[in-house]
Amino acid sequence: ILNVEQSPQSLHVQEGDSTNFTCSFPSSNFYALHWYRWETAKSPEALFVMTLNGDEKKKGRISATLNTKEGYSYLYIKGSQPEDSATYLCAFYTFKAAGNKLTFGGGTRVLVKP
Amino acid sequence: DAGVIQSPRHEVTEMGQEVTLRCKPISGHNSLFWYRQTMMRGLELLIYFNNNVPIDDSGMPEDRFSAKMPNASFSTLKIQPSEPRDSAVYFCASSLDRNRGKAFFGQGTRLTVV
Repeated sequence: ILNVEQSPQSLHVQEGDSTNFTCSFPSSNFYALHWYRWETAKSPEALFVMTLNGDEKKKGRISATLNTKEGYSYLYIKGSQPEDSATYLCAFYTFKAAGNKLTFGGGTRVLVKP
Repeated sequence: DAGVIQSPRHEVTEMGQEVTLRCKPISGHNSLFWYRQTMMRGLELLIYFNNNVPIDDSGMPEDRFSAKMPNASFSTLKIQPSEPRDSAVYFCASSLDRNRGKAFFGQGTRLTVV
């Protein structure tokens, strides 16, 4: 069983504040670590696909880092805005000879209060 | 490409009836995933296919659930007989291995079993 853990499960952020949350994953059979943004009543959309230890990705005010040796990734939101309210999912993409597998964490639900 | 297409968007059925959910992946993608969204487990992987072959169905809750992928452009998830506890949103996603598995999701099928 692959354990992809995200914490916290939810957090409230005041508009303008910055925040971050974590994803932990197994360090074996690593192929890639994904971050998705999932807005209510929509489907998840990919933010980042990260592959190398030490990777840092950025998209606007959102950025992510990756540590494959210790098995964790951080997602940062700088200067949170109400439109950042969503559930943020990480997913561990593992190599399997028969076919690669994408396993999601439980998500961190972010609510940005005006 | 129109993206991943799922049908129907909504399905209401009576307990005991057979339900079939359909998915058309993005053309050229070689992996297809079926997920179920529940309050308790978040985004739960049911089964995935690689090159039309089922690789891992360990997430399928019980024998009432079955999935097929007869060709690269079509997959079905069938529940027979359906039960009220099957009520959930079912997502299909497709990906390409050489893109490090970046997943593209369909809009989901909201299933209600009464």
